[in-house]
Amino acid sequence: DAGITQSPRHKVTETGTPVTLRCHQTENHRYMYWYRQDPGHGLRLIHYSYGVKDTDKGEVSDGYSVSRSKTEDFLLTLESATSSQTSVYFCAISVPSGRAVDEQFFGPGTRLTVL
Amino acid sequence: RKEVEQDPGPFNVPEGATVAFNCTYSNSASQSFFWYRQDCRKEPKLLMSVYSSGNEDGRFTAQLNRASQYISLLIRDSKLSDSATYLCVNNQGGKLIFGQGTELSVKP
Repeated sequence: DAGITQSPRHKVTETGTPVTLRCHQTENHRYMYWYRQDPGHGLRLIHYSYGVKDTDKGEVSDGYSVSRSKTEDFLLTLESATSSQTSVYFCAISVPSGRAVDEQFFGPGTRLTVL
Repeated sequence: RKEVEQDPGPFNVPEGATVAFNCTYSNSASQSFFWYRQDCRKEPKLLMSVYSSGNEDGRFTAQLNRASQYISLLIRDSKLSDSATYLCVNNQGGKLIFGQGTELSVKP
């Protein structure tokens, strides 16, 4: 258990409404990530964070913003949700493995439906 | 061309069979790779890292062939519980690039 929780786990919302997803970790790891998973595309990186207030864009960042005001929390916001943002959202943390490359562990996911 | 490509399957095998998955990658400079396992409607879970020297963990063996730019995962003595989707992942400086996954179904 990597100590990652996501909330909410399920959400249905309407087009044009703002939505915020929360990722919480208990182990104070520096790096955190948001991915989305869609049929035919696999998982794709939205945004990531390398420390408090330090964030950067991933492959599919348009329409999303993030914030990290505390080490343990990484928030993903859809400012105005669209139907194309219906997806499963996974948060991940990067954990030192003791080898050259850190390993990423995922939270349980949030299923978001935008009507 | 996708950065990481996998045969989507499904692979349907009987219990006890040996099954091999291959994955190709396009970035010749890539250094590190992983195999993740994902059960239906669950999060991906790290199965094993892939190193240049290969990596074995029980019934699972991962190999990296840099010359041909492919990674393989071999599962020996398949169990019913191995049924899942297997994701090939390229780690590019901490940003994971995922293949679409290969579905495995192990039958009694």
